[in-house]
Amino acid sequence: AQTVTQSQPEMSVQEAETVTLSCTYDTSENNYYLFWYKQPPSRQMILVIRQEAYKQQNATENRFSVNFQKAAKSFSLKISDSQLGDTAMYFCACTNYGGSQGNLIFGKGTKLSVKP
Amino acid sequence: EAGVAQSPRYKIIEKRQSVAFWCNPISGHATLYWYQQILGQGPKLLIQFQNNGVVDDSQLPKDRFSAERLKGVDSTLKIQPAKLEDSAVYLCASSLDYRSLLGYTFGSGTRLTVV
Repeated sequence: AQTVTQSQPEMSVQEAETVTLSCTYDTSENNYYLFWYKQPPSRQMILVIRQEAYKQQNATENRFSVNFQKAAKSFSLKISDSQLGDTAMYFCACTNYGGSQGNLIFGKGTKLSVKP
Repeated sequence: EAGVAQSPRYKIIEKRQSVAFWCNPISGHATLYWYQQILGQGPKLLIQFQNNGVVDDSQLPKDRFSAERLKGVDSTLKIQPAKLEDSAVYLCASSLDYRSLLGYTFGSGTRLTVV
């Protein structure tokens, strides 16, 4: 069965500093996609960044970047120049093709607090 | 582009009552998903539709949960009768492509409290 593990239930960082959130996953697929989602108190799941497993280059989106280690099945998220608005739950997810079509398997999340 | 619409935003019911949630996906998105997110956990897939057909409902508690997507557009998720452990946020999502999950977008969810 596909699994996604986030080992840090909570993290905090000072404003303007850098923080890294960890994620490991297990999949039997050769081609798959990995995601980081942000969920603020409004409950809206917001896509932060997406990585295609067949691409060796790490994805970046402005202040957000990933360290994708395919052999180790590791997919960490780095947030640079942290802002107060980055305070939220962050979920790592992997595509699941256990059925005939794809959906997402999520980790349990990391609660990130950015302190002024 | 309009997002995924869900209603109601909040619902409080007593155990053994029934409840229904509605979702309207992004126009043109063939794939629709319902997730259950219990407090402190990540979302868990309940059911997935491709157009108006069910492609994965392996984690749907079929003795009390049902869902339909008539005409392949909007969808309704129903719980009857509700149990205390059904208290959760119910998230709807839609995507353009079922393989790459391109355009995968979530709604704001419905928070259900069963008392």
